[in-house]
Amino acid sequence: QSVLTQPPSASGTPGQRVTISCSGSSSNIGSNYVYWYQQLPGTAPKLLIYRNNQRPSGVPDRFSGSKSGTSASLAISGLRSEDEADYYCAAWDDSLSGQVFGGGTKLTVL
Amino acid sequence: QVQLVQSGAEVKKPGASVKVSCKASGYTFTSYGISWVRQAPGQGLEWMGWISAYNGNTNYAQKLQGRVTMTTDTSTSTAYMELRSLRSDDTAVYYCARDVGIAAGGAFDIWGQGTMVTVSS
Repeated sequence: QSVLTQPPSASGTPGQRVTISCSGSSSNIGSNYVYWYQQLPGTAPKLLIYRNNQRPSGVPDRFSGSKSGTSASLAISGLRSEDEADYYCAAWDDSLSGQVFGGGTKLTVL
Repeated sequence: QVQLVQSGAEVKKPGASVKVSCKASGYTFTSYGISWVRQAPGQGLEWMGWISAYNGNTNYAQKLQGRVTMTTDTSTSTAYMELRSLRSDDTAVYYCARDVGIAAGGAFDIWGQGTMVTVSS
């Protein structure tokens, strides 16, 4: 069982907006930054969002992150076929003294 | 360009040890940390621990304490992760990642290509 909870799957059609949720607790999301990673099939993860809502250079502004209390979400607008991937949220957990990940959400573009 | 290049795939027997290397290039190695993350087949990501390339300080995941050791060689800009007493459930792809935080818990902005470690008798 993952410390952070994500839906196992999400889907949308090209052009749609999709949101992926990530639920945690006061010891992780509630008191630390949230990160989001995209993992395309057969490849290493890639940083998508850092410090809750910041995009590294090169990440399209179609991707956005937000955080409220002990939950966070990743929104993808203008969905494209190349967005089909696994998405993971992560945060530091003060109780575990370690980085924790969500179980991952597999995004399917229909 | 900034990159992390990991050593090749390994096959080990239960009870053995494995040491994976991660060579950094394109940036000042000692200005960042390195985190190690593993992914069992068909499963999610699991953080294993962090090491400061500046001073060698480490922070290991509780479940791996006592079995994992992370080190760095600043002369070659290489990080190492050794896992001992291997079990079948250690079979996974092992990734190193550049950690931008000044302590463990930062963003992992650059990732290695991954090293498959298979534990089988």
